[in-house]
Amino acid sequence: SQKIEQNSEALNIQEGKTATLTCNYTNYSPAYLQWYRQDPGRGPVFLLLIRENEKEKRKERLKVTFDTTLKQSLFHITASQPADSATYLCALERDSSASKIIFGSGTRLSIRP
Amino acid sequence: EAGVAQSPRYKIIEKRQSVAFWCNPISGHATLYWYQQILGQGPKLLIQFQNNGVVDDSQLPKDRFSAERLKGVDSTLKIQPAKLEDSAVYLCASSLGRRQGNYGYTFGSGTRLTVV
Repeated sequence: SQKIEQNSEALNIQEGKTATLTCNYTNYSPAYLQWYRQDPGRGPVFLLLIRENEKEKRKERLKVTFDTTLKQSLFHITASQPADSATYLCALERDSSASKIIFGSGTRLSIRP
Repeated sequence: EAGVAQSPRYKIIEKRQSVAFWCNPISGHATLYWYQQILGQGPKLLIQFQNNGVVDDSQLPKDRFSAERLKGVDSTLKIQPAKLEDSAVYLCASSLGRRQGNYGYTFGSGTRLTVV
């Protein structure tokens, strides 16, 4: 069955360091991979989308890589700040006219001052 | 632009009662999704609409859950009768559709349902 695994433990990072979150998947061939941020009591907020033929995408302090051979995506936040503390969700999407995304369980990131 | 609106924000009901959630997506978004998020887990898709037609409801427990999207805009998700395991946050999301570009989904803040 399809499986998406994210860092099982919460991640605690010192402010200013780079946070790296991992998303691994099995039994799935995504055409797109998305990353979302979710704060307590709120819905997920879209951050970045990367296509299967792209290796890397950047947006301000965020960087996403996508390796379809390893079936893995890495999500980096450089110069991390306490305001970056949240749960980050990885989501996969097939290339389909009726696209839908399936989510991982998320990684809770805490940035300490 | 206005976001995805959901109501109510919170609901507490007893098991075997019924409950309904409402969603108003972003104007112009043809695709609407209902997700269920249990505490500590990622959202799980319940149903997907394209305009007012159902595209995917394979994970919707149809013996107790129902959803409709009249006129291809607002949507309602209903649970009848509710079970304790239905306690979760119900998230509504909308999107333009992948062919429109590399956009993500826009989610509402969700309805937190507690079944006691």
